Amino acid sequence: QLQVQESGPGLVKPSETLSLTCIVSGGSITTENYFWGWIRQPPGKGLEWIGSMYHSGSKYYNPSLRSRVTISGETSKNHVSLNLTSVTAADTAVYHCVRQIGLGSWAFDYWGQGFLVTVSS
Amino acid sequence: QSALTQPASVSGSPGQSITIPCTGTSSDVGSYNLVSWYQQHPGKARKLMIYEVNKRPSGVSNRFSGSKSGNTASLTISGLQAEDEADYYCCSYVGSVTLVFGGGTRLTVL
Repeated sequence: QLQVQESGPGLVKPSETLSLTCIVSGGSITTENYFWGWIRQPPGKGLEWIGSMYHSGSKYYNPSLRSRVTISGETSKNHVSLNLTSVTAADTAVYHCVRQIGLGSWAFDYWGQGFLVTVSS
Repeated sequence: QSALTQPASVSGSPGQSITIPCTGTSSDVGSYNLVSWYQQHPGKARKLMIYEVNKRPSGVSNRFSGSKSGNTASLTISGLQAEDEADYYCCSYVGSVTLVFGGGTRLTVL
C-alpha cells in the first residue's frame, strides 16, 4: 500500500525559504503516468494546488506561485521536495504531498496527512 | 479563481440517497469534464472517490457516483451507510494549468 509522509521545519521566518520533503513508501515516484505534487490549505481557508512534477522532469506550477516555487524529485531516495521562497504569513498552511493520476485527469489518488508550516518571526 | 460552492452540510438516514452539489462557473466546471471528489474522515488523509466527473477509482464502492449538468457537478451516495459520514470536497480544472477546490461539505448520517 502506497504511503506518503511529509516532513520538514514546522516554523519558517518571513522572507526565508520553506522546504518540505515527501517520503514515498510502498511504491515508486517513477511509476509511469503518475505525477507527484503539493497542495496546501491555510488555516480556515480552502485548498490550493501548488504544483506537480513528472519523474522525467516535466513540471507544472500554479501561476500565482510560479515565481517562488520549485518541486523536484529525488528518485534514488524516492522523495519529492517542495521549495517555496520569500515566504510571508500568507504561506502559513498545512502542506499535503499528493500523487496525481496523469496530467490530463487533474485528480489526486493519494494524499499525505499534511504538515503544518507556520511562517513567523 | 473563486472557490467552487458546496453546501456546508448535508444529512441523510441509513439506506437513503444523498446528493452533494458543487457549483462553479462556465470557466471551470462548465468548461471541463475534469471534476474530482474527495472524502476525508477525521484525522485521515483525503481519499479520491470520483474523477473526470463520473469515473470511480478501483476499490471505491459503486454506491458513489458523479455527474455534471451545466456549471454544477454532483456527488451522489446511494444506500447511505454510517461509514460514509465524512467531509467531501470537489475540485475542478479551470484551464491555464490550475485548479479550484470547493470549501467542503460535512455529511452526517442520522
